[in-house]
Amino acid sequence: QVQLVQSGPEVKKPGASVKLACQASGYSFISHYIHWVRQAPGRGLEWMGVINPNGGTTGYEQKFQGRITVTRDTSRSTVYMELSSLRSDDTAVYYCARDLSTGWPGGGLDVWGQGTTVIVSS
Amino acid sequence: QSVLTQPPSASGTPGQRVTISCSGNSSNIGSNSVYWYQQLPGTAPKLLIYRNNRRPSGVPDRFSGSKSGTAASLAISGLRSEDEAHYYCGAWDDSLSGRGVFGGGTKLTVL
Repeated sequence: QVQLVQSGPEVKKPGASVKLACQASGYSFISHYIHWVRQAPGRGLEWMGVINPNGGTTGYEQKFQGRITVTRDTSRSTVYMELSSLRSDDTAVYYCARDLSTGWPGGGLDVWGQGTTVIVSS
Repeated sequence: QSVLTQPPSASGTPGQRVTISCSGNSSNIGSNSVYWYQQLPGTAPKLLIYRNNRRPSGVPDRFSGSKSGTAASLAISGLRSEDEAHYYCGAWDDSLSGRGVFGGGTKLTVL
């Protein structure tokens, strides 16, 4: 079945970087954009960025520009999201999600990973 | 501060019909489709409505979506206890080279 499986929880110190993985299966990896969305404890959903696995072009939320890098490895059907200069307010559950549409990132998110908890604490 | 505006809470009794609103502007809801997600405690969000009013397979027809101009709404009829959850609207926004945007979420309580 179509699924996204994310890497395990992370605990990082302020100022460090974290790189999360999201492995896709059950569909053509290059056909659908993959988004990253995070959710801080008790808060709502926050869009972070998107990648087109077919070519690797990316788009990022302005507030994360300079700190976020999203990449993909087509041989592994895996997307990675690296966030640097971590702060305590980056503590959140990070989700990857597949875009419903093919060829455009605005189709809605129909398949979600299970989420990865990232805790930033000294 | 979320780009899309939703009421923080809504409530209803079993069997009732409730609606949740979502307000945006011309660069998001006004020019792109609206999506609705349901999030149960401790789980990932689930797509409930796409392209304003379409339901993915498996979503009961008790859930319906609509859009007019720069506003959208989610309606839930025949309210059930298992509908108690957080609901988020989302859309693509054409500003700033394009980005995804969400509402702040609405906590639905079934009384």
